[in-house]
Amino acid sequence: SQQGEEDPQALSIQEGENATMNCSYKTSINNLQWYRQNSGRGLVHLILIRSNEREKHSGRLRVTLDTSKKSSSLLITASRAADTASYFCATGGNNRLAFGKGNQVVVIP
Amino acid sequence: EAQVTQNPRYLITVTGKKLTVTCSQNMNHEYMSWYRQDPGLGLRQIYYSMNVEVTDKGDVPEGYKVSRKEKRNFPLILESPSPNQTSLYFCASSLSGQGWAEAFFGQGTRLTVV
Repeated sequence: SQQGEEDPQALSIQEGENATMNCSYKTSINNLQWYRQNSGRGLVHLILIRSNEREKHSGRLRVTLDTSKKSSSLLITASRAADTASYFCATGGNNRLAFGKGNQVVVIP
Repeated sequence: EAQVTQNPRYLITVTGKKLTVTCSQNMNHEYMSWYRQDPGLGLRQIYYSMNVEVTDKGDVPEGYKVSRKEKRNFPLILESPSPNQTSLYFCASSLSGQGWAEAFFGQGTRLTVV
């Protein structure tokens, strides 16, 4: 069964604004990853956070992980039109990498 | 260049006609998997393979077969395709299936079964 589940939001924001999306999961995890998908293409890895980490940064991305609440958030700061995509969280463990349903983000120039 | 290659990219077929979608990776990854993506359902895992000759079912294995005779290749076989298998399929590979390493995805195969 899928573990990662994003809040089923479709975000529409202006360029330069921040975009935040959330992911919750049900069971214990080793790690949590975030991926981006542009318009039906293959997913691209963005960032990985381990279960013993609380926050991680990569460029304009900030990921937080709260294992007590079984949730994670992805923040994209100073969004650009090129950030328009679907974003997925994925949880690892038990020989599986399970993806959530995805969050669609549209950045308006 | 590290990559996962799927073929074909697009395929239209008729119900019941056996087909194979190929997947090949050049990163010497042990872990490979297949997903299908449907609107509103996200990515669902079909099958995965921990290594050569080691495969296991994912969330939605019915109607699919896989094999892993070589480390680099992980074909997906639809013995008797049906319209409900119309979907976007992705192959992925990784150093690990435990999630501590990133997964690399192919560009996808859009399959239509009529």
